[in-house]
Amino acid sequence: DTAVSQTPKYLVTQMGNDKSIKCEQNLGHDTMYWYKQDSKKFLKIMFSYNNKELIINETVPNRFSPKSPDKAHLNLHINSLELGDSAVYFCASSQDSREKLFFGSGTQLSVL
Amino acid sequence: GNSVTQMEGPVTLSEEAFLTINCTYTATGYPSLFWYVQYPGEGLQLLLKATKADDKGSNKGFEATYRKETTSFHLEKGSVQVSDSAVYFCALSPFKAAGNKLTFGGGTRVLVKP
Repeated sequence: DTAVSQTPKYLVTQMGNDKSIKCEQNLGHDTMYWYKQDSKKFLKIMFSYNNKELIINETVPNRFSPKSPDKAHLNLHINSLELGDSAVYFCASSQDSREKLFFGSGTQLSVL
Repeated sequence: GNSVTQMEGPVTLSEEAFLTINCTYTATGYPSLFWYVQYPGEGLQLLLKATKADDKGSNKGFEATYRKETTSFHLEKGSVQVSDSAVYFCALSPFKAAGNKLTFGGGTRVLVKP
């Protein structure tokens, strides 16, 4: 069983569209995250949720809206996609704030 | 703010060579330090960690020692294999931070040739 699974693996779309990426973890963890990895492999946190509550919200355009229906799921919705949104988006989870992160395999988003 | 700086790659080595990837950090207090590895097409995996000064993290033949005096956490492996080809990320987690707000370095790609 995959511990942290995210879908889709690849997402190709046009500028201006709205898209969502889904993430689920079956580890029973309390905290989930979204990270963005750019083309140079630089990795930056976007959001973190603990038990469905937002605890980290970095400087991210408000076109990005995370949603956590329950503590096992953290979805990322992106409105009005722009070229600069092209990146690999990683979902991750951890048991608590000092424990290691478990990452999903990433969603490669290409905005044309 | 917190930051992590690691050597730029790619680092190209032959099998059985010695690998060092330098990592230095800037942070207030006493952060925890991590090395994560990303194999091609996969998410990051924790390789090793150290939570206080002079701690040595080790796993799969890799080692790194938390040096507070030099604010460094260099990764080493004595004899690399082709399967060690990956991107390696140094990261820190602030002391008593809300959530696990890891700050990553820019990653170092390592290519091991047979």
